[in-house]
Amino acid sequence: EAQVTQNPRYLITVTGKKLTVTCSQNMNHEYMSWYRQDPGLGLRQIYYSMNVEVTDKGDVPEGYKVSRKEKRNFPLILESPSPNQTSLYFCASSPRLEETQYFGPGTRLLVL
Amino acid sequence: QQQVKQSPQSLIVQKGGISIINCAYENTAFDYFPWYQQFPGKGPALLIAIRPDVSEKKEGRFTISFNKSAKQFSLHIMDSQPGDSATYFCAAPGGVGQAGTALIFGKGTTLSVSS
Repeated sequence: EAQVTQNPRYLITVTGKKLTVTCSQNMNHEYMSWYRQDPGLGLRQIYYSMNVEVTDKGDVPEGYKVSRKEKRNFPLILESPSPNQTSLYFCASSPRLEETQYFGPGTRLLVL
Repeated sequence: QQQVKQSPQSLIVQKGGISIINCAYENTAFDYFPWYQQFPGKGPALLIAIRPDVSEKKEGRFTISFNKSAKQFSLHIMDSQPGDSATYFCAAPGGVGQAGTALIFGKGTTLSVSS
């Protein structure tokens, strides 16, 4: 089944404890991105990647890192999480930018 | 920073009515303008998209109308049903970085269809 998977789906952590949210797609898509969704603010792009080793900042990259060492994986790293990073996170992929974005199921993060 | 402005923020429509959501964009980096639908607890999913070689695209009860000169496009939901109650997002080109063009989403419209 073609899909985008994210893990974990739910995470409660404390300020400053490094965490990684994994994202994997099995559709051989080149374009991948991370979004955070907050009430009233919609989907804001954190980082995006056009291919392996090619990444760039989106609208809200502060406090986040990403890597794209393999085409299928695009992990989101929070080196030192803070409460303002409490949010719902979505990973998405597509064959290229001008085509359907396939979203993962979301990761709900709470930083205490 | 490139903007994508979506309106209204929320919409209440009676069953059988027409729902209209609007989106305005700035960047014309590429010609692909989608609408995504999101149900509570789920990720967004593509509803309908248009490439502006046409000014309108219809799929069932859903229609996109596109105005290239005004840099606007809209979603029309005909005969709205309670099952259409969801959040709708438009998307359009954002800024161009070293990894290419970003995709920017509107802030979303929460649609409630009352029965």
